[in-house]
Amino acid sequence: DAKTTQPPSMDCAEGRAANLPCNHSTISGNEYVYWYRQIHSQGPQYIIHGLKNNETNEMASLIITEDRKSSTLILPHATLRDTAVYYCIVKKGGSEKLVFGKGTKLTVNP
Amino acid sequence: DAGITQSPRHKVTETGTPVTLRCHQTENHRYMYWYRQDPGHGLRLIHYSYGVKDTDKGEVSDGYSVSRSKTEDFLLTLESATSSQTSVYFCAISESLQPGNTIYFGEGSWLTVV
Repeated sequence: DAKTTQPPSMDCAEGRAANLPCNHSTISGNEYVYWYRQIHSQGPQYIIHGLKNNETNEMASLIITEDRKSSTLILPHATLRDTAVYYCIVKKGGSEKLVFGKGTKLTVNP
Repeated sequence: DAGITQSPRHKVTETGTPVTLRCHQTENHRYMYWYRQDPGHGLRLIHYSYGVKDTDKGEVSDGYSVSRSKTEDFLLTLESATSSQTSVYFCAISESLQPGNTIYFGEGSWLTVV
């Protein structure tokens, strides 16, 4: 599975959009980009995933560049409850493994 | 939220004793997983199951065994607990390994081996 690179930490003001970047320059054609988050002491929570098109759900939007080498997770109106570690993961179909890196610690400030 | 229940949620046990953690799902998903999470290592796959009585090892399987006698239950056993197995254990489930399929996690079981 391709490796991902994320900034270790980011801050965001409450009510503003949080844009979390992820670099996955070695991604291959059959690998999806997944985003999970982990709020302190809880299990990882699935947010969104995509292959090459931009995706949106009730939690977030995922923007994948045309060359698929990077992506951005957007939380449109961050709240204090969005403070968490966000993991960008690349996974191919047929693989049982989700490989978690260190993620980005997002702190939403009042 | 996916219907995943882990038990016990917290346990303290002594070195050398056997410990079993249970994961129960109500989603009828084929795949079930056990991960552990430790500071500095992130989440690591211990074992997974791809059906009743069908299991395979993950990257950190030494010292652990698993069993799956029913679709809904996946048990993780530490035959003789050691202090290095003090960790948070997460169960996860997924419907398939098809591209784009999602893995959902339980709330975790905190195990302390003293």
